[in-house]
Amino acid sequence: QKEVEQNSGPLSVPEGAIASLNCTYSDRGSQSFFWYRQYSGKSPELIMSIYSNGDKEDGRFTAQLNKASQYVSLLIRDSQPSDSATYLCAVNGGTYKYIFGTGTRLKVLA
Amino acid sequence: GAGVSQTPSNKVTEKGKYVELRCDPISGHTALYWYRQSLGQGPEFLIYFQGTGAADDSGLPNDRFFAVRPEGSVSTLKIQRTERGDSAVYLCASSLLTPASGISAFFGQGTRLTVV
Repeated sequence: QKEVEQNSGPLSVPEGAIASLNCTYSDRGSQSFFWYRQYSGKSPELIMSIYSNGDKEDGRFTAQLNKASQYVSLLIRDSQPSDSATYLCAVNGGTYKYIFGTGTRLKVLA
Repeated sequence: GAGVSQTPSNKVTEKGKYVELRCDPISGHTALYWYRQSLGQGPEFLIYFQGTGAADDSGLPNDRFFAVRPEGSVSTLKIQRTERGDSAVYLCASSLLTPASGISAFFGQGTRLTVV
């Protein structure tokens, strides 16, 4: 079992819809969770971090964390074509290591 | 600097050659990470520095790979006797603190290494 699992996609949504990206992790001791966006040929850029159960909202983005189910998700409201990218989920491995999933490719259709 | 800077952005080398990849982290960031990313994969952890010391090098694939950070700022990833399988994008990231504290890492633009 991989430490961080994501569906590779592509996930296709129409412009203006809500995109829902999911991630599960295996280490119950993980405390911090991060979502990065990566455009093709570019490096990952941080979108959000979350470490408490529940929802955290930032603009059109909402991160959701459920530690009991070992599940973290990212919702993107009013999706735009410019949101088309690969979304990487990362969790802390121990105190200092970031462990990444393989990423979910999102395509927002105009 | 304003962000994490990596040089060169692209490197093409012949199999068997030695290469050095440089990373200049965000000023004041004591934690520095090297990751490797292959096409269609997420970043794979290689090594973590806290200050000058390599606190965890468990991700280095073999002894051909070595990294240093002599003054606690700039880091160099060194690869000896390169192989075609070493071809990937090498990413450097830095952060103020560790991820367990909820602090995020910020990535440089990466070095695309191609071994021919």
